[in-house]
Amino acid sequence: QVQLQESGPGLVKPSQTLSLTCTVSGGSISSGSYYWSWIRQPAGKGLEWIGRIYTSGSTNYNPSLKSRVTISVGMSKNQFSLKLSSVTAADTAVYYCARRDVRSGSYFDYWGQGTLVTVSS
Amino acid sequence: QSVLTQPPSASASLGASVTLTCTLSSGYSNYKVDWYQQRPGKGPRFVMRVGAGGIVGSKGDGIPDRFSVLGSGLNRYLTIKNIQEEDESDYHCGADHGSGSNFVYVFGTGTKVTVL
Repeated sequence: QVQLQESGPGLVKPSQTLSLTCTVSGGSISSGSYYWSWIRQPAGKGLEWIGRIYTSGSTNYNPSLKSRVTISVGMSKNQFSLKLSSVTAADTAVYYCARRDVRSGSYFDYWGQGTLVTVSS
Repeated sequence: QSVLTQPPSASASLGASVTLTCTLSSGYSNYKVDWYQQRPGKGPRFVMRVGAGGIVGSKGDGIPDRFSVLGSGLNRYLTIKNIQEEDESDYHCGADHGSGSNFVYVFGTGTKVTVL
């Protein structure tokens, strides 16, 4: 059974960089053909896709965040990470990591439980 | 203009039916839409995908038969029949938008379903 778990600071100061890690268990992110995404949800609002990284390391980012986002595979082969620079209060949200098969017709089949990140001084 | 539009709320009495709508913006009538259910305090889970011709692929794991979808024009519908208390959730629609280096996954704003 694949499991994803987000981790990182729950409080980040304005203008600093938000850094989160997603640890995948039950399988290696370097095996198989999957996209590994970050998705966020401000309190009481809808979901926003931040971006994804493919098994090969290629990435796609939401244009609205592209200038501030970096998604990369971690030092451990079972981790990928999110960095969001120059954060403001608008970046306060629950952050999820999720997996999606690259095959046509796939969907986000495994999600982490989410981690709340608050941007405040 | 958002690619996907959802009404903020919907409600139905216990045992009744409710239909949720996800509306595509003009020009995107060929898009397939994914429905996700998000129970309070939980992460989303996949319900099913719908195109203009109806369901695409299979339902998500553990999704009851009372959930069904329909596609028509720019609208993608999710219907819950014989609604149960456990169906009270936020429902999000999402879709692939663009391709290659211009790929983005877009979500609607979500619909909160209340069981009366």
